[in-house]
Formats: sequence, C-alpha cells, structure tokens
Amino acid sequence: RKEVEQDPGPFNVPEGATVAFNCTYSNSASQSFFWYRQDCRKEPKLLMSVYSSGNEDGRFTAQLNRASQYISLLIRDSKLSDSATYLCVPRTFGNEKLTFGTGTRLTIIP
Amino acid sequence: DGGITQSPKYLFRKEGQNVTLSCEQNLNHDAMYWYRQDPGQGLRLIYYSQIVNDFQKGDIAEGYSVSREKKESFPLTVTSAQKNPTAFYLCASSPRTGDGYTFGSGTRLTVV
Repeated sequence: RKEVEQDPGPFNVPEGATVAFNCTYSNSASQSFFWYRQDCRKEPKLLMSVYSSGNEDGRFTAQLNRASQYISLLIRDSKLSDSATYLCVPRTFGNEKLTFGTGTRLTIIP
Repeated sequence: DGGITQSPKYLFRKEGQNVTLSCEQNLNHDAMYWYRQDPGQGLRLIYYSQIVNDFQKGDIAEGYSVSREKKESFPLTVTSAQKNPTAFYLCASSPRTGDGYTFGSGTRLTVV
C-alpha cells in the first residue's frame, strides 16, 4: 500500500459549488497532516495544517478520521482561483521527511 | 521578510556538465530538503539535511550531491552521472517542531 493515496482527478466543478476529496495514509503513527496547493508550474504552498481531528479556515475544512486513516478537504463556495492540485502530506513525529503523493487536480469551471 | 530563495529560476545544461542549484533560507529553519518533480508526477526526495554538516540520501540520490556548510544554505549539484536531469527542482525548509515545509519557487533544469 502506498504511503499516501489520493484520487488524481481531475475534478471539474462549477463555480460556487462545494467539493470534497479524500486522502488515505498507510502509517497509523502519522500525527500531523498538511494540505498543500500547487498551481501549474509553481511550488507547493501550505494551505492548512491538521494536528487533531480537523481544522477550518474560511471556506476550507479538513477532517481527520484516524480510525479509517483518511483525511478529507472540503472547499465551500468554490472560486476560479481554487483551481490547482491539492497535495495531502502526513507527518510522523521524529521523521523529518514528508512524503508527497501526486495530488488531486481540481478545476473550477465558470 | 523571511523566506527561501532558489536560483536560478531557469537553467540550461549541456550533457556531461555538472551544475549547482542554489537554495538559501532566512527562516532560521534547521532542516532543508531537495525534491525533484517531473511533469504530472509527485515530488521525489533527493537529499535532506537536519543540521549543519550532516545530510542524508533520499529516494533518488544517485547522480546528485549536496553540502550543508551553513544553516542558511543547502546547494544541490546535479552531476553528469544523473542520466535524466531535466526536471523541476524544489528546495524546502522546516523547523524541527514538526511544522510543514516552506518551499522555494523552484529551478527548472533543462539538458540541451
């Protein structure tokens, strides 16, 4: 099983809609999680950090399900500028390396 | 403002040449990393360093070398032994507290 698995998409979603996608992880010792967004030909940028059951920041909500080993990202009232690839990254305490999956590609359609 | 700077933004290399990619950070982060990204692919770890004068190989270290003589700097050399070096190279740093990475804006290396 891969350390991080995400549906690559692409997800094509109309502007204003709500979209959610999941990320499953294999290491049950993972303690913190990060969602990054990466625009085409740019560097990843940290979107949200999750250290407990979840986190909310404006239109973005991350929910962690440790029992099933997945973390989800929900985007409400989607905007054209939300079009990007979203990377889920688990982190284990004491392990300085982060493993990045290929991410989920999201396109918001006008 | 604190940040992480990579240079150059674009780099062209002839086959058989070594090239060095620069990465400098003023975030006072202990750990630094080099990743490689190919089109449509995820990030793959080349090398990482947790403290000055120490570094470890990542998943795809062959054909690359690094140094960490200063906390702020972590240059990557792509040697002629790297058979397929054309890629997008990303440098990142993080504190030792377990926070996420901060990335530089990347260097696009093309072999001509």
